Amino acid sequence: GDSVTQMEGPVTLSEEAFLTINCTYTATGYPSLFWYVQYPGEGLQLLLKATKADDKGSNKGFEATYRKETTSFHLEKGSVQVSDSAVYFCALSDFGAGSYQLTFGKGTKLSVIP
Amino acid sequence: DTGVSQDPRHKITKRGQNVTFRCDPISEHNRLYWYRQTLGQGPEFLTYFQNEAQLEKSRLLSDRFSAERPKGSFSTLEIQRTEQGDSAMYLCASSLGTSGSEQYFGPGTRLTVT
Repeated sequence: GDSVTQMEGPVTLSEEAFLTINCTYTATGYPSLFWYVQYPGEGLQLLLKATKADDKGSNKGFEATYRKETTSFHLEKGSVQVSDSAVYFCALSDFGAGSYQLTFGKGTKLSVIP
Repeated sequence: DTGVSQDPRHKITKRGQNVTFRCDPISEHNRLYWYRQTLGQGPEFLTYFQNEAQLEKSRLLSDRFSAERPKGSFSTLEIQRTEQGDSAMYLCASSLGTSGSEQYFGPGTRLTVT
């Protein structure tokens, strides 16, 4: 079945540092890929998405590129802020296979210190 | 705010009792999803409705769990004869009826079974 593997946390960075959170996936079809973010005390929010190979999703300074050859969708940000402290989840959905459920990774907790 | 709402936000119950949670999706969304999230894990899919029809169910949804969406509006998730292993955050999400459309999540209901 489909699965998502993302780097273990927690990750602690200083403000303005570069962020990479690795995410790889296994899917039977041709999935769409997502990054969701969960800020403390809040619900999950979609951060960005990509629906086909080589697509780059971007939002709030975060980027991720759909790499079919390496089955990866790594999240990056050039300069993190304290307000980026949250848990980040990589997810996929295999709409082409007729499934609308999201399959999530375990999440990576990011703490940004001033 | 017209986001996804869930009620109650917290529920503490004794083992063996029945509990029911409610989810109100965004009004124009015809798809509704239930997920379960345990500590340190990503959300896991439970079930999905398109309008009032329940179209997908995970193997995680044992026969003690039942979900309904009468008239294609709000949804309820009932757990009968609760067990300590049912303690988790129960998340509801909704989306439009088009393929690939974003799922919007509610704040969740945290269940604690004592």
